[in-house]
Amino acid sequence: KAGVTQTPRYLIKTRGQQVTLSCSPISGHRSVSWYQQTPGQGLQFLFEYFSETQRNKGNFPGRFSGRQFSNSRSEMNVSTLELGDSALYLCASSLGLAGGSETQYFGPGTRLLVL
Amino acid sequence: AQTVTQSQPEMSVQEAETVTLSCTYDTSESNYYLFWYKQPPSRQMILVIRQEAYKQQNATENRFSVNFQKAAKSFSLKISDSQLGDTAMYFCAFKGGGADGLTFGKGTHLIIQP
Repeated sequence: KAGVTQTPRYLIKTRGQQVTLSCSPISGHRSVSWYQQTPGQGLQFLFEYFSETQRNKGNFPGRFSGRQFSNSRSEMNVSTLELGDSALYLCASSLGLAGGSETQYFGPGTRLLVL
Repeated sequence: AQTVTQSQPEMSVQEAETVTLSCTYDTSESNYYLFWYKQPPSRQMILVIRQEAYKQQNATENRFSVNFQKAAKSFSLKISDSQLGDTAMYFCAFKGGGADGLTFGKGTHLIIQP
């Protein structure tokens, strides 16, 4: 079974621009979570989507948003980019069972550099 | 809010040795799940092992095993017969019973020397 895929793998943007990252979960997985990884803050939870609905959101400004499509693919968008948004953005998928008990499997990440 | 602490920023051992990575966490929940993930230089996050809090038996996966001490809120990872390919960042992660995301520790950089 194919793993989680993320596109693009690398991205360079300038301050003030916006960016959209894409994530395709493992076949059959209905839940997609997004994480930001930076050297200073480590790994931080952004949000989780299940059946096209955002189930939970981490402590990030409204510039960070996402959505999920009917085929469970997810996109996250960052508007008005800031230098501090430079990070590795990781997507993880899981079955989406009730109770949050299932394991999350991660994609290779998208490395975003904001200049 | 949950917190996860990994007190060893970096560890280095010789190939074939056994190494233990420490992790402590703080939570008021009774039903939760704990994970160890490995992140090699490729940055791909790979699941190493998972432990359900309601299970008393420690999880094992081949050369990897955990020592789960629920009362002490401790969750250490033991790697036996370490191999060069085990060189990576290791993250301890907590997940509560709801829809919250994973809470990660800061990570331990493990270096296996030949």
